[in-house]
Amino acid sequence: QVQLQESGPGLVKPSETLSLTCTVSGYSISSGYYWGWLRQPPGEGLDWIATCSHTGTTYYNPSLRSRATISVDTSKNQFSLKLRSVTAADTAVYYCARGFGDFGTYFDYWGQGTLVPVSS
Amino acid sequence: QSALTQPRSVSGSPGQSVTISCTGTSSDVGNYKYVSWYQQHPGKAPQLMTFDVSKRPSGVPDRFSASKSGNTASLTISGLQAEDEADYYCCSYAGSYTWVFGGGTKLTVL
Repeated sequence: QVQLQESGPGLVKPSETLSLTCTVSGYSISSGYYWGWLRQPPGEGLDWIATCSHTGTTYYNPSLRSRATISVDTSKNQFSLKLRSVTAADTAVYYCARGFGDFGTYFDYWGQGTLVPVSS
Repeated sequence: QSALTQPRSVSGSPGQSVTISCTGTSSDVGNYKYVSWYQQHPGKAPQLMTFDVSKRPSGVPDRFSASKSGNTASLTISGLQAEDEADYYCCSYAGSYTWVFGGGTKLTVL
């Protein structure tokens, strides 16, 4: 049973860096698939943030490319997201997910999500 | 890269069928087979319902069907059940290794 679990700070201050980690169990990241981050502002829709392959190929939402970094740590079976210079607009529930299909287009396993408020 | 357009809400009675539309452009929905739909219940993570326009992952009931015509994708839920009440999101590949979601549709089962 593939399971994903997000972990990170409960609160981030404006202008700081948001750092999230997704721990994967039940599947070895180094074996394949893609790994992604998505977010959902309170009461709003889903936004795709970034995706990386198990080999380190990365794809980013153009609107976040300049501030986001996604990376994989196969030794820990984890992947991470860093989002720099955050503002209140980055307040959202952040989800990690496993991607499959061409370029990891589809997400079949998701974490439960973690709410990250951005506030001073 | 603009969000795909979905109706804010749709509704139907148990046993009926409802269709949710998702309108994009020739740069996303109209140009690729990479269209998917997700179901999200309140407070829960999204669940993939269809992919590659019309394929269903294992475990998704065949009451859920999807299609695409031109720049518009559609999700049809037949034989509505109370448990189908949720938010539904479409998603499409938009070229250059980017993806775009729709704004979401709230389905109410009357």
